[in-house]
Amino acid sequence: EPEVTQTPSHQVTQMGQEVILRCVPISNHLYFYWYRQILGQKVEFLVSFYNNEISEKSEIFDDQFSVERPDGSNFTLKIRSTKLEDSAMYFCASKAPTGNSPLHFGNGTRLTVT
Amino acid sequence: DAKTTQPPSMDCAEGRAANLPCNHSTISGNEYVYWYRQIHSQGPQYIIHGLKNNETNEMASLIITEDRKSSTLILPHATLRDTAVYYCIVRVNAGGTSYGKLTFGQGTILTVHP
Repeated sequence: EPEVTQTPSHQVTQMGQEVILRCVPISNHLYFYWYRQILGQKVEFLVSFYNNEISEKSEIFDDQFSVERPDGSNFTLKIRSTKLEDSAMYFCASKAPTGNSPLHFGNGTRLTVT
Repeated sequence: DAKTTQPPSMDCAEGRAANLPCNHSTISGNEYVYWYRQIHSQGPQYIIHGLKNNETNEMASLIITEDRKSSTLILPHATLRDTAVYYCIVRVNAGGTSYGKLTFGQGTILTVHP
């Protein structure tokens, strides 16, 4: 069964550094998402991406975040200058074109900012 | 999207059916009910979804009341590996101004005991 894959599984970075989290969505999907989950807290929506542009973003998704679909297969989340509070699990998800089809999530990247 | 209410935790004996309730009294006509689960810190896993008819797949059954104000996820023969946080989420179809994002609540922690 096709699945969403994320790399790396764990990323450690120093405060102020830039990180790029990578995702390969399911191949025929057209909607893409990033979520994050701080340890012990809820899964939180960050951003949705459709037709090569951001379709919706949350308050969390400020100017230090950006997303890109550089080559038609990968979907990336960049954090420009990481802060300690960016430490979390980051989940990518994708969705097929059908309106009611579910989101399928990857197993996440654990980002640790030191 | 309509708000959902779930019990914070439930227990179930291995081999028995687990029945997880969800209230969504403000659901509107075009909103679907989705169930996901999250095992430890893995990515949310899609289980099942429905609009108004009962649904069944290889993982679970979804029973939606006739007035659609509540639903029940049934795991027919729970195993230890079904121990997870279960999320009931209501969402409109993607399209137009909605891009299909899911909003996660706290969910129900299901513990399956030997």
